[in-house]
Amino acid sequence: AQKVTQAQTEISVVEKEDVTLDCVYETRDTTYYLFWYKQPPSGELVFLIRRNSFDEQNEISGRYSWNFQKSTSSFNFTITASQVVDSAVYFCALTTDSNYQLIWGAGTKLIIKP
Amino acid sequence: DAGVIQSPRHEVTEMGQEVTLRCKPISGHDYLFWYRQTMMRGLELLIYFNNNVPIDDSGMPEDRFSAKMPNASFSTLKIQPSEPRDSAVYFCASSRTGESGETQYFGPGTRLLVL
Repeated sequence: AQKVTQAQTEISVVEKEDVTLDCVYETRDTTYYLFWYKQPPSGELVFLIRRNSFDEQNEISGRYSWNFQKSTSSFNFTITASQVVDSAVYFCALTTDSNYQLIWGAGTKLIIKP
Repeated sequence: DAGVIQSPRHEVTEMGQEVTLRCKPISGHDYLFWYRQTMMRGLELLIYFNNNVPIDDSGMPEDRFSAKMPNASFSTLKIQPSEPRDSAVYFCASSRTGESGETQYFGPGTRLLVL
């Protein structure tokens, strides 16, 4: 079975705090891809990152960083020095070689308070 | 480059009326996807096309839903007749290929309210 779990339904922090959004995935495929999307209050779905199963290097993009750990089947997302504009619902998703369709987590609603 | 374009952005209609949602994928993308997002069910894939041909419509909830892609730059999702339970945000997405790992890029969505 393939599954993505985002156990944190909602997280609320004060601006400038660091925050980590958890994503745990399940698949038996050896080749798979993990994604993060952001859905701000305006509603659109914005692609943030894609990572394949053979690349465990962490990724940093400005205040955003992603920690991929195959040993724990996790692909966590950290926002450093959070800002109010980071408030959104963040989705983690998975595709595999046996299932090309996106398998979505339930999303984590992130609230950044000024 | 323009992203995926959807219209209308908001639609309010009465039960029983026909609703048509429109999508223009990113130029050069061969795959087009229609999703529905609700609080109860999250994001659901309704149907997807490859080179204008419907490949998998198993997610289409009922015969009231139909989708077409007459050419590479245009697709419609039609609901006829509409019902209040169809109220949701409908997203169109496109990708360059259908391979695993190919990124899907989403349009802004159409927020549909059926009264």
